[in-house]
Amino acid sequence: GAGVSQSPSNKVTEKGKDVELRCDPISGHTALYWYRQSLGQGLEFLIYFQGNSAPDKSGLPSDRFSAERTGGSVSTLTIQRTQQEDSAVYLCASSLQRGIDEQFFGPGTRLTVL
Amino acid sequence: GQSLEQPSEVTAVEGAIVQINCTYQTSGFYGLSWYQQHDGGAPTFLSYNGLDGLEETGRFSSFLSRSDSYGYLLLQELQMKDSASYFCAVLSGGFKTIFGAGTRLFVKA
Repeated sequence: GAGVSQSPSNKVTEKGKDVELRCDPISGHTALYWYRQSLGQGLEFLIYFQGNSAPDKSGLPSDRFSAERTGGSVSTLTIQRTQQEDSAVYLCASSLQRGIDEQFFGPGTRLTVL
Repeated sequence: GQSLEQPSEVTAVEGAIVQINCTYQTSGFYGLSWYQQHDGGAPTFLSYNGLDGLEETGRFSSFLSRSDSYGYLLLQELQMKDSASYFCAVLSGGFKTIFGAGTRLFVKA
């Protein structure tokens, strides 16, 4: 079966532009997570979804960041008015259900803001 | 605040045993996980401890002591392909997963 997929794999954008990052989780996985990883750093938790709802949005760095999930499947992370400090790899993961912490990660989207 | 502490780097030789420690301070605790990440790759799950004690999976073992807010990952019979970054992660309150900064393991011949 297919793993977690993310698109695009690479995104270069200009400061001030909006970007959308997409995550397609493993079929049947109800929990979905977004993380951000800067070069050589750990993973910074951004948000997680259980089904279509996001109980905790406190990890989002600013109100320029938003995320949604529809149909209990695909999720989109949107960054508005991108800044250079937003440059990082954005990783998505899914797990069978909340509380089961074997998370399966996608390959990530490398975002570069010029 | 919430924090996880793990060494930044560990070096060992092929065939040896290495232990990577992790101490944590989090709001709520459900369990401790370990992930491996090769350069340029995505993290992959290694183990999860929800209860105190040792979990063994092949050459890898993981230990948890909730009373000490401490765990470790033990890698035996090291191979060159084990050179990677290893992250401990806590499933904390609200089912938020908090990752440590990672330990870079270098395996030498």
